[in-house]
Amino acid sequence: GNSVTQMEGPVTLSEEAFLTINCTYTATGYPSLFWYVQYPGEGLQLLLKATKADDKGSNKGFEATYRKETTSFHLEKGSVQVSDSAVYFCAPLEGGSEKLVFGKGTKLTVNP
Amino acid sequence: NAGVTQTPKFRILKIGQSMTLQCAQDMNHNYMYWYRQDPGMGLKLIYYSVGAGITDKGEVPNGYNVSRSTTEDFPLRLELAAPSQTSVYFCASSYFRDTYNSPLHFGNGTRLTVT
Repeated sequence: GNSVTQMEGPVTLSEEAFLTINCTYTATGYPSLFWYVQYPGEGLQLLLKATKADDKGSNKGFEATYRKETTSFHLEKGSVQVSDSAVYFCAPLEGGSEKLVFGKGTKLTVNP
Repeated sequence: NAGVTQTPKFRILKIGQSMTLQCAQDMNHNYMYWYRQDPGMGLKLIYYSVGAGITDKGEVPNGYNVSRSTTEDFPLRLELAAPSQTSVYFCASSYFRDTYNSPLHFGNGTRLTVT
């Protein structure tokens, strides 16, 4: 089955700093890959996704590229804002499965 | 446009008590899920359902029961609460089995403390 390893948090940045949150996965096949975000007091919501090698998912200034050779899906943003403060979860989904596997989450705090 | 609604938002239980966490969705989604989120940990799947009348175990089903009598509702039952069940519980739903094209919609969670 799938497993996922995320960068340990918490991560604290100043506004406009560059963000990278690392994510690597193990899977028996070629999973689809997701980043979900959880804002304070809310449930998770989909941030971005990619389905095959070299696909780049993007949303709200965040990007992640599906790297099959390194089994990674690192999340990046060039200039973070205070409103990006949240917990970010990497999640692979193996083909044919209904069940996402979530990483432990990385808490990001952005200070003004 | 309610989406996924969970009740209650908070609950404190004594050891051995029972309770039902409610989850309802108004999007006509076939697939529904219950996750628990422990501090510093990712979400763990407890149970899921692919449609009314069909449920199946996830990674951590022990101590829980579910039912799916309607498409809209997917309650989670704790029969004999234990401190190990202290967690935040999330209900989620999706329309298709293909979660890539039909992403999960989450409720806002229920924070449960068992003392």
